[in-house]
Amino acid sequence: DQQVKQNSPSLSVQEGRISILNCDYTNSMFDYFLWYKKYPAEGPTFLISISSIKDKNEDGRFTVFLNKSAKHLSLHIVPSQPGDSAVYFCAAATGNQFYFGTGTSLTVIP
Amino acid sequence: DTEVTQTPKHLVMGMTNKKSLKCEQHMGHRAMYWYKQKAKKPPELMFVYSYEKLSINESVPSRFSPECPNSSLLNLHLHALQPEDSALYLCASSHIPDDYNEQFFGPGTRLTVL
Repeated sequence: DQQVKQNSPSLSVQEGRISILNCDYTNSMFDYFLWYKKYPAEGPTFLISISSIKDKNEDGRFTVFLNKSAKHLSLHIVPSQPGDSAVYFCAAATGNQFYFGTGTSLTVIP
Repeated sequence: DTEVTQTPKHLVMGMTNKKSLKCEQHMGHRAMYWYKQKAKKPPELMFVYSYEKLSINESVPSRFSPECPNSSLLNLHLHALQPEDSALYLCASSHIPDDYNEQFFGPGTRLTVL
């Protein structure tokens, strides 16, 4: 059973606008959440993370929001750039175990 | 050096072959991971090594045998695989096994079992 879900397999956004990627999880034991970005033929690259004691973490153009009561997190990219086009995986962790979502393919249109 | 390297990049093997995947990092990380990723699916955790000892085995069949010879190297020995084992095998490492740290991934080995 998939414990971490990304319900949108793909998303297209105009350059300069906001990209919002969503992720839902089912296990309330998860207490650390991460976003990874993956280009074709490469391994995932860490982007940003958030601990369950926070509800927001910001790093440059990337902001992750966590809503624990809804078991939902989102990644906001503002402004979106063509180089952001990639597959984005959210991951949830408890202890050493990381569980990945199915990924959302983001296309930023110039 | 801030990368995880994996060899080979591609591997084609028959069901009777024995082969090994290799992973290396020189970042001083003490946790190393093997993941399997099928097309359009998320990476699935297979094994975790903490301080060179196997700490998690996610019910992986015995035809996959991990080995951690030292803190920089992680191997995955393959024997008698099935065609459904064809996938991208990703290695990752992180700083401290018992603390939350982002994982650094290698580029993966694309395995095809004929």
